[in-house]
Amino acid sequence: GNSVTQMEGPVTLSEEAFLTINCTYTATGYPSLFWYVQYPGEGLQLLLKATKADDKGSNKGFEATYRKETTSFHLEKGSVQVSDSAVYFCALSDLGGTSYGKLTFGQGTILTVHP
Amino acid sequence: EAQVTQNPRYLITVTGKKLTVTCSQNMNHEYMSWYRQDPGLGLRQIYYSMNVEVTDKGDVPEGYKVSRKEKRNFPLILESPSPNQTSLYFCASSAQNSNQPQHFGDGTRLSIL
Repeated sequence: GNSVTQMEGPVTLSEEAFLTINCTYTATGYPSLFWYVQYPGEGLQLLLKATKADDKGSNKGFEATYRKETTSFHLEKGSVQVSDSAVYFCALSDLGGTSYGKLTFGQGTILTVHP
Repeated sequence: EAQVTQNPRYLITVTGKKLTVTCSQNMNHEYMSWYRQDPGLGLRQIYYSMNVEVTDKGDVPEGYKVSRKEKRNFPLILESPSPNQTSLYFCASSAQNSNQPQHFGDGTRLSIL
């Protein structure tokens, strides 16, 4: 079956530091890949997505590139802010090219950014 | 405003006392699903529904029931809750054959004593 593995957290950074959260996946076919963010006390929000190999998703300074050869979708940001403190989930969708259907999530990575 | 609404947001109850968590979406989405979130495990799908009167098990369906009598509503039913169902629950919806992102509710935190 499908699976997603994220780097273990928590991750603690100082403001303006560089962020990388690793994500690798196992899937049959050609899944779509997502990063979701969960701020304290809130539901999940889509941060970015990529629906095919070599696509780069980007939003709010965050980026991730769909690497089929390494089955990875690592999240990066050049300069984090205190407001980026949240839990980040990597996920894949069963149905490639869409956001429809079941999402398989990684275990989540807690990010804390200090001033 | 497009949204998925869950109720209640928080509930503390006791073992064996039936409870229902409601989920409603206003986007006319065909697909709806329930997930539970547990530390170190991420989110796992409990049940899903492709459309009205069509439901199926996800990865962790034991101890749960669902129904889909109307397109907008997808309640999660715990007939006889147990402490291992203490968790944070999320409802989600999405449109069929669409590249639009899934929408998630704000979550329901259940504590079963």
